[in-house]
Amino acid sequence: DIQMTQSPSSLSASVGDRVTITCRASQGIRNDLGWYQQKPGKAPKRLIYAASGLQSGVPSRFSGSGSGTEFTLTISSLQPEDFATYYCLQHNTYPRTFGQGTKVDVK
Amino acid sequence: EVQLVESGGGLVQPGGSLRLSCAASGYTFTDPYMNWVRQAPGKGLEWVGRIRNKFQSYATNYAASVEGRFTISRDDSKNLLHLQMNSLKTEDTAIYYCTTDSSGSPDYWGQGTLVTVSS
Repeated sequence: DIQMTQSPSSLSASVGDRVTITCRASQGIRNDLGWYQQKPGKAPKRLIYAASGLQSGVPSRFSGSGSGTEFTLTISSLQPEDFATYYCLQHNTYPRTFGQGTKVDVK
Repeated sequence: EVQLVESGGGLVQPGGSLRLSCAASGYTFTDPYMNWVRQAPGKGLEWVGRIRNKFQSYATNYAASVEGRFTISRDDSKNLLHLQMNSLKTEDTAIYYCTTDSSGSPDYWGQGTLVTVSS
């Protein structure tokens, strides 16, 4: 199975900060990666598909980059509604595997 | 508007069975592949399995942790996705989400249904 390692596992930030979350795959997955946001008690929501495609309706402050084994989710200017947990997911091979999550909370 | 509504969750004893359903609306159900994803209490997300559409013969793939115990099916005539869960274990306790699949990954998600496996 492909292991997806996210870093950091948690971070504290302030409104307006630039936030970067990294996801590393144990083997190359081309650009077969999505990023998800989950708020407490809610279902996850896809932010990014195919490593860098912005999901319809998602604010442009979210962006994704990378290919192969190293991927990044960037929030250019953190907003109050962005405090949440973020997950990456590889869909290159079966079984699909998620990263362990990155919790973004208030500094 | 795409809507996915899961049902069928509840309390079941270890070794028991449960069938989850996901009612879909707001899009052409027959086209996209579908997934089940679960989340144990206080834990991260775990992909459970995926079913393709009729053009791909409804082929399925599963996580190793559920292979042989869980079965995904779909009823395109009723816009329903199912997850038949047999030989349930305490570690299957989780919220179960159904999702559509686009660009290869889960897209729209339902609100989830809680399955508790306990004696």
